[in-house]
Amino acid sequence: ETGVTQSPTHLIKTRGQQVTLRCSSQSGHNTVSWYQQALGQGPQFIFQYYREEENGRGNFPPRFSGLQFPNYSSELNVNALELDDSALYLCASSLEGNSGSNTEAFFGQGTRLTVV
Amino acid sequence: DQQVKQNSPSLSVQEGRISILNCDYTNSMFDYFLWYKKYPAEGPTFLISISSIKDKNEDGRFTVFLNKSAKHLSLHIVPSQPGDSAVYFCAASLNRDDKIIFGKGTRLHILP
Repeated sequence: ETGVTQSPTHLIKTRGQQVTLRCSSQSGHNTVSWYQQALGQGPQFIFQYYREEENGRGNFPPRFSGLQFPNYSSELNVNALELDDSALYLCASSLEGNSGSNTEAFFGQGTRLTVV
Repeated sequence: DQQVKQNSPSLSVQEGRISILNCDYTNSMFDYFLWYKKYPAEGPTFLISISSIKDKNEDGRFTVFLNKSAKHLSLHIVPSQPGDSAVYFCAASLNRDDKIIFGKGTRLHILP
């Protein structure tokens, strides 16, 4: 078990609605990344937050947004949900900085979002 | 456009034998490569990594080989055990701090 926890584990939403997914990073980690894993695909990078600021973004529209809080936990918000947003959403935390003590990304168990 | 390719969707290997999972990449700027293992209903778990300055990294039963000229890496598991049955993702990044680009995964079945 990695210490990265995500909530909820499963969620069903209607097209057009908004959703917020949550992630608590592993203790001591300052960086959170979010990934979308569609069925039969590998995880795709959505964005990364480092010390509460967005630090890189993948090819996702602006209706995907995020936040990182002072305790390094994070939220992923998706507005105007579309059917194709149905996927497993993964949060990963890591420690990054100049100290040379960077860690690998450790993933949570994911939130399975179904849009109907 | 897939920058990290795992061309075998699945692989079956007898218990005790060697499992070899292959991965190709297209971006010569990738500097760091990783393998993750995923069980159903769990997130990916980090297995092993290698930086582009090396051609081999070993950790117990797991060894990753990197061939930069061929833009190819492979994961060897020996001996294969039943608990190794999972989906294995090959991944790459420009450096350790950058986003991770994943392949589509290879489902490994270890046969009794």
